Parts: sequence; C-alpha cells; structure tokens
Amino acid sequence: GEDVEQSLFLSVREGDSSVINCTYTDSSSTYLYWYKQEPGAGLQLLTYIFSNMDMKQDQRLTVLLNKKDKHLSLRIADTQTGDSAIYFCAETQSTNNLFFGTGTRLTVIP
Amino acid sequence: EAQVTQNPRYLITVTGKKLTVTCSQNMNHEYMSWYRQDPGLGLRQIYYSMNVEVTDKGDVPEGYKVSRKEKRNFPLILESPSPNQTSLYFCASNIRQGRTEAFFGQGTRLTVV
Repeated sequence: GEDVEQSLFLSVREGDSSVINCTYTDSSSTYLYWYKQEPGAGLQLLTYIFSNMDMKQDQRLTVLLNKKDKHLSLRIADTQTGDSAIYFCAETQSTNNLFFGTGTRLTVIP
Repeated sequence: EAQVTQNPRYLITVTGKKLTVTCSQNMNHEYMSWYRQDPGLGLRQIYYSMNVEVTDKGDVPEGYKVSRKEKRNFPLILESPSPNQTSLYFCASNIRQGRTEAFFGQGTRLTVV
C-alpha cells in the first residue's frame, strides 16, 4: 500500500481549535477522507475532499489540501470533549482501494 | 437501519484452532473489505471483494482467507491462527469500490494465545 502518515497523538484544551495533519505519497490520489473512531466503535466518515479542491468547510470542520506537498489537514473549531477520538486520514487512488494512515488520537482537556 | 454487523465482538482462541469472523451488510453494497487495526500501524487491508465470487488480496493477506458467496456476507477465515494475528478487525462495505463512504462494522477484538 501507499504511505499515509499522521502524528500519533494530539492534545488540546476544550474550546481551542485542533489541527490534525496527514501526508501521503501517491500523487494519483483521487479522494481523501477523514474518518473518526470513537472508543469501542468502528470508523465513521467525517468528511472528504476531491483532489482538485484545496479546501472544504463543513460546520466546525475545515479540510485543507495542498496537493503539491501532498499534505492534508483537518481543523476542528471550538473543540469539545465529544471530539476526543482517533482520527484517520485515508486516500483512494487509481486502484480505488482505500489506504489509511496510522491515526491520530485526539485528547480534549476540559 | 443501514449497518454492517460483525460477529463475534470479542474472541479469545488458541494457536491453530480454525475460526471464522462473520460480516454481514444490509445495504446491498457491492464492495466489501476486511481490515486489521494495530497500534501505530493504522488500518491495513487484508482482503477485499468487488462483488459476489470476486475477491482479491489487500496489503496483509497472509494467514487469512475470505469468501463471497452472497452479496451481503463476507466472512474472514483464519485456518490456523497464530499470536501475531491478535488484533482488532473491521469489516467495511461501500456501494462500490472507492470514491464513496465506507461503512464499518463495530470491530472484532481477537486474541490468539
């Protein structure tokens, strides 16, 4: 599979913004996704961005894509304790298979 | 309710004892896949299936088998489990391969002793 890398841990204070970063190696990536995994649960799709876009906003979530640097980020505004979870970056490319990053564990401190 | 159901949720077994983890989806999805999740490694794809009777290897297929006799079911088979297969397993389904939301099961935590 292709390399999709993320930092393993991130801690923020409640009410602050969180920024979770992801880098990938395959320049033929077509769609890039952010999934959220809450404790003891499966993954749920949060948002996605097509590779010809550079930004997408959905309520408190902002996705930024820098295709030149192969860098994807997820910004969560006004982070709440309910946002504590593991966040996975994922991509599909020419094979259409889904490749996941290592996941970033976000801890929100009250 | 649209869902992907895995069973069992938790399983402890001994080395070499064949086991099957079932996965069923009620969304009439064509594409199904199995992942394992390990700390620091994220999710790695084991096998996937693009439709009935069509399966293919993912990134880490060694030690696993799958079958897709019906559209809704995609069982994962460990013929002779080993301790390095201790992991958290997820089944997922999509309407079709790639470019669409993947729906995940709740996970199966497998321990092989």
